[in-house]
Amino acid sequence: AQRVTQPEKLLSVFKGAPVELKCNYSYSGSPELFWYVQYSRQRLQLLLRHISRESIKGFTADLNKGETSFHLKKPFAQEEDSAMYYCALLRQGGSEKLVFGKGTKLTVNP
Amino acid sequence: DVKVTQSSRYLVKRTGEKVFLECVQDMDHENMFWYRQDPGLGLRLIYFSYDVKMKEKGDIPEGYSVSREKKERFSLILESASTNQTSMYLCASSLRNEDRATYEQYFGPGTRLTVT
Repeated sequence: AQRVTQPEKLLSVFKGAPVELKCNYSYSGSPELFWYVQYSRQRLQLLLRHISRESIKGFTADLNKGETSFHLKKPFAQEEDSAMYYCALLRQGGSEKLVFGKGTKLTVNP
Repeated sequence: DVKVTQSSRYLVKRTGEKVFLECVQDMDHENMFWYRQDPGLGLRLIYFSYDVKMKEKGDIPEGYSVSREKKERFSLILESASTNQTSMYLCASSLRNEDRATYEQYFGPGTRLTVT
């Protein structure tokens, strides 16, 4: 079964502290993974995709196939990073449907 | 810039009513999706459409149906609304894209439906 697990519902850090949002997946083959973010009163939007190996707003995420993980990291959290974060996996079989994790609500305290 | 719009931000309906949620995208995307978003449950796919008049059930289709008569418009229908369908409903669209490096789903602002 294709599944995405985000073990933390809530994560709270102080401004300037490192932050890591965990994501684990189950998938046979080469997965395609994404992080989506939803700021307060805004629509859900793509933050980054693993295939692009990009850093967006200081966030990076590395695919670790051995640990089946795709954790999102930022070395110095900012208050504006407070949001709901979803890890997502593109389903197998040529479909263009995503499987989403249950989300982690990140709060960055001043 | 892709724009996905949803007909209502907030909707209050009574149990048993037939409810229509409308979604329109302006980027000529082939794929359109309906999700519901619930705290602690994340996003769950209700229905997916990959072309006009073509649809596939998602993970939680029970109690819902969809209609796609035009490429830009995808409607979600609650045949007989129930209180357990109170939720945030998100519409999304994506281009059918062979280049996985640029795959992205674009979301609407959501419709918060309350069934009383």
